[in-house]
Amino acid sequence: KAGVTQTPRYLIKTRGQQVTLSCSPISGHRSVSWYQQTPGQGLQFLFEYFSETQRNKGNFPGRFSGRQFSNSRSEMNVSTLELGDSALYLCASSLAHRTDGAFFGQGTRLTVV
Amino acid sequence: GQQVMQIPQYQHVQEGEDFTTYCNSSTTLSNIQWYKQRPGGHPVFLIQLVKSGEVKKQKRLTFQFGEAKKNSSLHITATQTTDVGTYFCAGANFNKFYFGSGTKLNVKP
Repeated sequence: KAGVTQTPRYLIKTRGQQVTLSCSPISGHRSVSWYQQTPGQGLQFLFEYFSETQRNKGNFPGRFSGRQFSNSRSEMNVSTLELGDSALYLCASSLAHRTDGAFFGQGTRLTVV
Repeated sequence: GQQVMQIPQYQHVQEGEDFTTYCNSSTTLSNIQWYKQRPGGHPVFLIQLVKSGEVKKQKRLTFQFGEAKKNSSLHITATQTTDVGTYFCAGANFNKFYFGSGTKLNVKP
């Protein structure tokens, strides 16, 4: 089975811009979760999608949003980028729920300048 | 809110020495998972523990889930340089899921 695919792998954006990141989960997995990872804050949960619906949400501002398509692929969007949004964004695929065990993609390294 | 605390934050060992990282939760967990993240890589799922007192082994790695299902440990016997990385636990309680802050392991050859 193919693993979790995230695109792009690297991004450099300017403060104030917006960005869209993409995630294709493992075939058959219906839950997709997004995490932000920074050296100081560890893995911070953004949100989880299942069957095109947001099931859980972490404590991030409304600038962070996501969606899931009928084929389980997911996108996350960050609007009005801030310098502090620079991080590794990880997508995790789970069979039905993130508590089942998460399989992570390689991540998108976002740098905001 | 519920958190999963993980200690130590860092551990430096000589190759061949043993290593243990601990996770503690303030509330009972339905399961606990362990992940390894190599430097520059992404977290990789290692194992999931579900039963009270459960012990599972993967070669030199031993995972334990406490009797009260509030704590867990990962023990590596005779570390190797390939064990370098950050080990995360993640505790689940119904639909809540919390990652520990991770233990960064450095192994000196």
